[in-house]
Amino acid sequence: AQTVTQSQPEMSVQEAETVTLSCTYDTSESDYYLFWYKQPPSRQMILVIRQEAYKQQNATENRFSVNFQKAAKSFSLKISDSQLGDAAMYFCAYRRKKGGSEKLVFGKGTKLTVNP
Amino acid sequence: DVKVTQSSRYLVKRTGEKVFLECVQDMDHENMFWYRQDPGLGLRLIYFSYDVKMKEKGDIPEGYSVSREKKERFSLILESASTNQTSMYLCASSSRTGLYSNQPQHFGDGTRLSIL
Repeated sequence: AQTVTQSQPEMSVQEAETVTLSCTYDTSESDYYLFWYKQPPSRQMILVIRQEAYKQQNATENRFSVNFQKAAKSFSLKISDSQLGDAAMYFCAYRRKKGGSEKLVFGKGTKLTVNP
Repeated sequence: DVKVTQSSRYLVKRTGEKVFLECVQDMDHENMFWYRQDPGLGLRLIYFSYDVKMKEKGDIPEGYSVSREKKERFSLILESASTNQTSMYLCASSSRTGLYSNQPQHFGDGTRLSIL
């Protein structure tokens, strides 16, 4: 079974600085999807960024980018120019592609604090 | 935008009660999911449904059941609530993914359920 590990339960960053959140996963499959979700204190989970394993190019969405290292099974999220509104729980998630499975496997989350 | 609506933000029930958590989505999504979220444990899948009247067990189905009589509505049922079911419950929906499609899940605001 696939597993997702977020080794940093909590992180903090100064406003305008850059922070990287770690995520590793375990799978025997060669093609799959990876996601980062954000859950602000208001609780609605929203998608931040997604990556397809067969694409070597790292995904970017404005100030958010990933460092996808397929061989190392690592999928870290970099937030540049951190803003107060980035404070949230961040969850890394994996979805297999084979068989069109719809299920996500989530990590336990990293709580990000942004200091003014 | 996709709207996933959970019927209650906060709910307090007593041990042994039958509890219904309702979720409605407005985007004609085929897939719907119920998760529970606990500190330090991340999101764990309880049940999901990929079509009307279809359901599959997730990772922690014990003590729960679900109902999907209409495409837009997915209900989570606690047959006889127990204190260890006190948790945050999140509903999500997504469109059916093909083998080469990468549709994310969209989440509701969550229901904070307390069992006394």
